[in-house]
Amino acid sequence: EADIYQTPRYLVIGTGKKITLECSQTMGHDKMYWYQQDPGMELHLIHYSYGVNSTEKGDLSSESTVSRIRTEHFPLTLESARPSHTSQYLCASSEYQGPGYGYTFGSGTRLTVV
Amino acid sequence: SQQGEEDPQALSIQEGENATMNCSYKTSINNLQWYRQNSGRGLVHLILIRSNEREKHSGRLRVTLDTSKKSSSLLITASRAADTASYFCATEARGAQKLVFGQGTRLTINP
Repeated sequence: EADIYQTPRYLVIGTGKKITLECSQTMGHDKMYWYQQDPGMELHLIHYSYGVNSTEKGDLSSESTVSRIRTEHFPLTLESARPSHTSQYLCASSEYQGPGYGYTFGSGTRLTVV
Repeated sequence: SQQGEEDPQALSIQEGENATMNCSYKTSINNLQWYRQNSGRGLVHLILIRSNEREKHSGRLRVTLDTSKKSSSLLITASRAADTASYFCATEARGAQKLVFGQGTRLTINP
């Protein structure tokens, strides 16, 4: 369906653990994004990047951090997971050619913190 | 909502009927996009309409944009069971290069 891959697909982890959600794309897109979505709800932008070594916080405050060392890779890390972090995390990318290009989304990681 | 309202929140129709979903937004935009999300999956880009366009077609999809009313509609004609999904509108505000999503419309097509 898409050339953007998220792993793991599902993750159940205990409170206090450190986790990294992986996101990789093979399209050479400069722009990448992380959205958080609770079931049946809207998407909230938590992080984005316009290219290597560029990261910005999104509209929704998040305790997670991101890095962009390579164009194709945009991992998201939670240093200490809490039950409030339980949600679906969606990664997306788009071409950096000014406004007007659609996003390609990964299949998401459904995170449950117990 | 950070974006605005989508209407209706849920829609259930019979296969073969047309489905119309509406989206309102709050800011001046560069473009508006529609996405489909099947249950528990990522979003799929359907169609993009720029702020200087009023109508756009793609297969069975028709999108309209009224910038004076800050609203858009998505029409799916001759609906199929496979169209069952949630549909989201998203806007790219002027001066921004990120999308803000609406709350979505959950569409159910009954066979």
